[in-house]
Amino acid sequence: GESVGLHLPTLSVQEGDNSIINCAYSNSASDYFIWYKQESGKGPQFIIDIRSNMDKRQGQRVTVLLNKTVKHLSLQIAATQPGDSAVYFCAETGNEKLTFGTGTRLTIIP
Amino acid sequence: EPEVTQTPSHQVTQMGQEVILRCVPISNHLYFYWYRQILGQKVEFLVSFYNNEISEKSEIFDDQFSVERPDGSNFTLKIRSTKLEDSAMYFCASGTQGGNTIYFGEGSWLTVV
Repeated sequence: GESVGLHLPTLSVQEGDNSIINCAYSNSASDYFIWYKQESGKGPQFIIDIRSNMDKRQGQRVTVLLNKTVKHLSLQIAATQPGDSAVYFCAETGNEKLTFGTGTRLTIIP
Repeated sequence: EPEVTQTPSHQVTQMGQEVILRCVPISNHLYFYWYRQILGQKVEFLVSFYNNEISEKSEIFDDQFSVERPDGSNFTLKIRSTKLEDSAMYFCASGTQGGNTIYFGEGSWLTVV
């Protein structure tokens, strides 16, 4: 069956450095991908999305890269700040529902 | 900025009791969803709702679950007879198009005892 997973469950990054969070997916029919940030006790917060006809999309301090050949998605956060500490989920959809990965906990080292 | 709002933020209920979780989606959105997240686990899809009917549901969404949009603004999730394993954070979400840019509420934490 389809699945969306992440390579690493935790990631620690020095404040000010760039963070890269990776995600693998298995459903070739997926055509829309979203990165969400979830802080403790809160709902998933939309960060950035990308469609399957693109391979890169940039937002404010964030970039999402999509490699459809190897079914890989990454989120790059530039100049990581303490407020970036959270669990990051990738989610994919080929229809209405989102399928979430298990998440990567990003910890910022001061 | 428009947001999805959910009530209650936390509810404790006895096993076997009925629970209704309420949501007010973003006003111009047409697609509505419930997801849940068991503590420490990933977010799981429960049900999607469009044009006043369920458009898709997961295996989790069995006969004990139902959804309703009783008026133009509220979207509710009812669990008829709660079980211990229903304890989770329940998230309501809404979007303008099916599966696109879905925005989540802050969640309702349900504890079944």
